[in-house]
Amino acid sequence: SQQGEEDPQALSIQEGENATMNCSYKTSINNLQWYRQNSGRGLVHLILIRSNEREKHSGRLRVTLDTSKKSSSLLITASRAADTASYFCATDPNTGANSKLTFGKGITLSVRP
Amino acid sequence: GAGVSQSPRYKVTKRGQDVALRCDPISGHVSLYWYRQALGQGPEFLTYFNYEAQQDKSGLPNDRFSAERPEGSISTLTIQRTEQRDSAMYRCASSLYGRGTEAFFGQGTRLTVV
Repeated sequence: SQQGEEDPQALSIQEGENATMNCSYKTSINNLQWYRQNSGRGLVHLILIRSNEREKHSGRLRVTLDTSKKSSSLLITASRAADTASYFCATDPNTGANSKLTFGKGITLSVRP
Repeated sequence: GAGVSQSPRYKVTKRGQDVALRCDPISGHVSLYWYRQALGQGPEFLTYFNYEAQQDKSGLPNDRFSAERPEGSISTLTIQRTEQRDSAMYRCASSLYGRGTEAFFGQGTRLTVV
């Protein structure tokens, strides 16, 4: 089963614009992570935000987390054609001793040059 | 090693055969995960190890699937009596401590059962 649900499912923007992607989840989490997957390639970790954090930045990436709404957003500023990829949120539950990253279905981002 | 290494990269097998997929995690990483990813979908959790102990195997679809990590490093995912529905990309990931640390993924093994 996949806990995280991203929206929109697909996003197409012009180079230079900002891209905002959202993720909602159902159960209590320890942390939430965003990953990128270029076509046919492996998953690359982008950023991790813990449940006691509200916002985190990494370069052109900004992630927010609202645990009361069980949602997160990933903002990519000044997008580039190279940002074209699928983006996944993954949740690490707050139950049990073990880590079990659960991924959503992903958002396909297309950045037009 | 420099990254998570999976082998083989591609595997074509006949229905009914057994296959073994190998994962070599980043040196020193405690946690190791196996995922399966269908085209257009996110990775689906299969199983998880801390050192050599299999902590969670709730995602293994049925008893034809098994995994081991006998020395707490290299792991093998074995699928017995393969079926066409087993065709997918199988991905391995490792992380330093598990919870709260990022997972590094390998390039995956594309399994095709014919």
